[in-house]
Amino acid sequence: DIQMTQSPSSLSASVGDRVTITCRASQNIDRDLNWYQQKPGKAPKLLIYAASTLQSGVPSRFSGSGSGTDFTLTISSLQPEDFSTYYCHQSYGTPQTFGQGTKVEIK
Amino acid sequence: EVQLVESGGGLVQPGRSLRLSCIVSGFTFGGYGMSWVRQAPGKGLEWVGFIKSKAFGGTTEYAASVKGRFTISRDDSKSIAYLQMNSLKTEDTAVYYCTRAALDDGGRYYFDHWGQGALVTVSS
Repeated sequence: DIQMTQSPSSLSASVGDRVTITCRASQNIDRDLNWYQQKPGKAPKLLIYAASTLQSGVPSRFSGSGSGTDFTLTISSLQPEDFSTYYCHQSYGTPQTFGQGTKVEIK
Repeated sequence: EVQLVESGGGLVQPGRSLRLSCIVSGFTFGGYGMSWVRQAPGKGLEWVGFIKSKAFGGTTEYAASVKGRFTISRDDSKSIAYLQMNSLKTEDTAVYYCTRAALDDGGRYYFDHWGQGALVTVSS
């Protein structure tokens, strides 16, 4: 199975900060990497697919990069509504797998 | 508007069965793969399984934790995806989400729409 390791597991940041979350795959997954945002009690929401393509309707402060085994989700200027948990997801191999999540909290 | 609505969740005893349904609207159901993802209380997301569209063979894939116990199927005429869960265990307790699996130009799957989730509690 392909293991997805996110870092950090949690972080504290302030409104306006630049935030970077990293996801590392245990083997090459090309660009088959997606990012989701989840708020408490709600279903996840797609932010980025194919490593760097912004889903329609998602603010441009979100961006994704990477290929192979190392990927990054960046929020250029953190907004109050961005305090959530973020998950990476690989669809390259079966079983598909998610990272363990990164909780972004208010400092 | 794309909508996915899960139903069929509830409390069930260990060893028993339950079937979840995911009724969709707002898009051509038959043209998409569908996946189920679960989330145990206070935990992260876990991929459960996937069914491809008929155009890609309608084949299914499962996580090792549910293989042989869970079955995903689809009825394109009714726009419904199913998750049949047999021999349920306490560790299957979770919110179960159905998702639409879209394909990008490079043939990569991603989950662009999610249902609200159905809670399944396995307990005696």
